[in-house]
Amino acid sequence: DIVLTQSPATLSLSPGERATLSCRASRSVSNYLAWYQQKPGQAPRLLIYDSSNRATGVPPRFSGSGSGTDFTLTISSLEPEDFAVYYCQQRSDWPPLSFGGGTKVEIK
Amino acid sequence: QLQLQESGPGLVKPSETLSLSCTVSGGSINSRSYYWAWIRQPPGKGPEWIGSVFYSGTTYYSPSLRSRLTVSVDTSKNQFFLSLDSVTATDTAFYYCARHSSGDGGPAEEDYFDYWGQGILVTVSS
Repeated sequence: DIVLTQSPATLSLSPGERATLSCRASRSVSNYLAWYQQKPGQAPRLLIYDSSNRATGVPPRFSGSGSGTDFTLTISSLEPEDFAVYYCQQRSDWPPLSFGGGTKVEIK
Repeated sequence: QLQLQESGPGLVKPSETLSLSCTVSGGSINSRSYYWAWIRQPPGKGPEWIGSVFYSGTTYYSPSLRSRLTVSVDTSKNQFFLSLDSVTATDTAFYYCARHSSGDGGPAEEDYFDYWGQGILVTVSS
């Protein structure tokens, strides 16, 4: 099974700052990696698919990169609504589908 | 607009069976293009994929839950179901239903969980 490890666990930043989140896979997932955003009391929302493609309606300040085992989600300039928890998920080799443990982006 | 809605008891006793339904509206579950999935998330932790079912009844399960798990579908009711046997406190979580593609060449975005239900908290406690 592929294990996804996200870092850091918590990122403390101010609005307007750049956020860089990492997801590392235990073995290659090619580019079959997605990022989700989750706010309190809500289901996760798909942000990025296939490593670098924005999902429908996702603003351009969100970007993804990487392939193989190392992936990055970048938020270029944090808006107040971006403070949330972010998860990565792979679909390269399933079952099982797997998620990372999450990175919380909090207001500094 | 596709919508998914979980339903079922919010409290289950230890050793009993957790049973949930997911009702799909705004689209047909009877499609070769999609899998219908269950995902759970213990409070404060990351999501965990439980299993997926195809309209035909073909299922894929998490290896860690397979021995206790049944996922099924009723296309006539546009619903799919989760049954988890012999629950313990570690099965306490928010349970979500969601959709993902079968990889039949459609939009790549759909290969991931693009539609989710709102989730239901299931607590295992006596």
